[in-house]
Amino acid sequence: EAGVTQFPSHSVIEKGQTVTLRCDPISGHDNLYWYRRVMGKEIKFLLHFVKESKQDESGMPNNRFLAERTGGTYSTLKVQPAELEDSGVYFCASSPGLAGSRTDTQYFGPGTRLTVL
Amino acid sequence: QKEVEQNSGPLSVPEGAIASLNCTYSDRVSQSFFWYRQYSGKSPELIMSIYSNGDKEDGRFTAQLNKASQYVSLLIRDSQPSDSATYLCAVNTGGFKTIFGAGTRLFVKA
Repeated sequence: EAGVTQFPSHSVIEKGQTVTLRCDPISGHDNLYWYRRVMGKEIKFLLHFVKESKQDESGMPNNRFLAERTGGTYSTLKVQPAELEDSGVYFCASSPGLAGSRTDTQYFGPGTRLTVL
Repeated sequence: QKEVEQNSGPLSVPEGAIASLNCTYSDRVSQSFFWYRQYSGKSPELIMSIYSNGDKEDGRFTAQLNKASQYVSLLIRDSQPSDSATYLCAVNTGGFKTIFGAGTRLFVKA
């Protein structure tokens, strides 16, 4: 069974540009999460989808970040325009069970390392 | 105060010893507790989950939870050099959000 995949693995862009990150969850997983780790800091929750619906986007830093999950399959996270402080590793995770329940084991993707110059 | 606190380390133990990793959390309504292992440049990998007070053992790993003290720990017995990684404590309060600690770096010396 394929795991969570993310694309690209690395992205280097200039301040002001737009970047779109993609996440393909494990097939059949309704829950999809985005997290971000800024260097030296803890992994921070960004948002959670159940199928195509946003359940919790309280962790999104500001309105320069837009996440979508059309059709309830893969998800994209767009940063527009990118700022220096957006640099970090963006992780996606998916889980099969009821979010917050004991069946909700999250499986993480390899992450996208974003560098904004 | 951080929501989930861990000693950043590094924690250095000799091969074969017991490594003890600790974590405290601030939200008393937290219900689910997780330990992830993250090798450098890789994604976090779940190694233990615990939901009730007490101990939970899985192979060389034992998770311990004390909700009254808001404390969760991970013991690694017979530590191996391959256990060298960053260990992340994570807590879920029953909603959709999982809160991570900054991680403890473990180094097992051969």
